[in-house]
Amino acid sequence: QKEVEQNSGPLSVPEGAIASLNCTYSDRVSQSFFWYRQYSGKSPELIMSIYSNGDKEDGRFTAQLNKASQYVSLLIRDSQPSDSATYLCAVRGNGQNFVFGPGTRLSVLP
Amino acid sequence: GAVVSQHPSWVICKSGTSVKIECRSLDFQATTMFWYRQFPKQSLMLMATSNEGSKATYEQGVEKDKFLINHASLTLSTLTVTSAHPEDSSFYICSAREDGAQQYFGPGTRLTVT
Repeated sequence: QKEVEQNSGPLSVPEGAIASLNCTYSDRVSQSFFWYRQYSGKSPELIMSIYSNGDKEDGRFTAQLNKASQYVSLLIRDSQPSDSATYLCAVRGNGQNFVFGPGTRLSVLP
Repeated sequence: GAVVSQHPSWVICKSGTSVKIECRSLDFQATTMFWYRQFPKQSLMLMATSNEGSKATYEQGVEKDKFLINHASLTLSTLTVTSAHPEDSSFYICSAREDGAQQYFGPGTRLTVT
């Protein structure tokens, strides 16, 4: 059974701080990893994708992947109130399907 | 980025009727489309995967005779909820993908069955 786990939160951070979101997965053959942001009542939007071990940076966002530990994280620097949302981790194995985690609710306090 | 549209964005229907939801990839050809359902405060649940020109693959527990999926072309997939009941009320989201690329989500359709 493929599983993707995330802390449901809420994770509260003050404005300007670094928010750290974590995700673990159980399927060792997973190859592609994605972070989506979902605002309440809206559909998810892709923030980052990462395919190889290490860090990948895009603006204020950094995705980190450690396949040996089966762990992927998302760091948000200089957090803004507009970053308050639910963040979904998604993992894709050899097949077509993505497996989504339950999401972590982030609240950035002004 | 790639754009995926859904229509309608919201719909209210009476119990026992059928509702069709359209999902379109506007600027790319989607070889694969996915249909998800999301209940309040819960994560996305994959309902089915469809490839253009072939039958959809349904996830365990999803009734294929109730949720009819047609992926008629590389830019259009439809989900028909047949004989809808109040427990089918949910947020239905499609996503589309080109070969080897990430998924792009549509804006979702909120279905309320009264």
